[in-house]
Amino acid sequence: QSALTQPRSVSGSPGQSVTISCTGTSSDVGGYNFVSWYQQHPGKVPKLMIYDVSKRPSGVPDRFSGSKSANTASLTISGLQAEDEADYYCCSYAGNYRVFGTGTQVTVL
Amino acid sequence: QLQLQESGPGLVKPSETLSLTCTVSGGSISSSNYYWAWIRQPPGKGLEWIGSIYYSGSAYYSPSLKSRVTISVDTSKNQFSLKLSSVTAADTAVYYCARDLSEYNYGYGYWGQGTLVTVSS
Repeated sequence: QSALTQPRSVSGSPGQSVTISCTGTSSDVGGYNFVSWYQQHPGKVPKLMIYDVSKRPSGVPDRFSGSKSANTASLTISGLQAEDEADYYCCSYAGNYRVFGTGTQVTVL
Repeated sequence: QLQLQESGPGLVKPSETLSLTCTVSGGSISSSNYYWAWIRQPPGKGLEWIGSIYYSGSAYYSPSLKSRVTISVDTSKNQFSLKLSSVTAADTAVYYCARDLSEYNYGYGYWGQGTLVTVSS
């Protein structure tokens, strides 16, 4: 199986919104509403930000939102803050296994 | 609060078998409908899903690693384990164990701290 495709990097100024795409196939992203997103700061453990496409775990700011259309899922960070600068990974259920995205580096200008 | 902790050798020789254990505390590995997963991250690279196991022993593996991976569970010790055979330098990575946040939801909300395994002679 191939990793899901994400842009290598995105950037934005504080207060702006950025959107990260995650493109798969009908066998993973498009086939199930089971996409999750993770934030990872350097040297740290990944943190769950979104699960089941658009649900936020307790404690995750509502600035983070998720959506999906066909074979592409998206993570939007609204009101970008300095602490949002990190790597972000999507992950999709693919029928008895899961596949991660290639990862996106978010830079706050 | 559920906690996961990886343990095992930090250095493995090429062609040998990598063996890691994840010890679960704060909850029973066999109490609910969860799959317990292994995920890895090579230095400077992205996350890769390796496989997962149910407390009954039913396991699923990444198609790309399936021929070399075995995941097992020991409910008496509240642990699950990973074995990766015929390792090469490409298997050098931080290895994480993880579990979904809640039943029937798909998102790894619980992670171990990770353990770096280096493959080198």
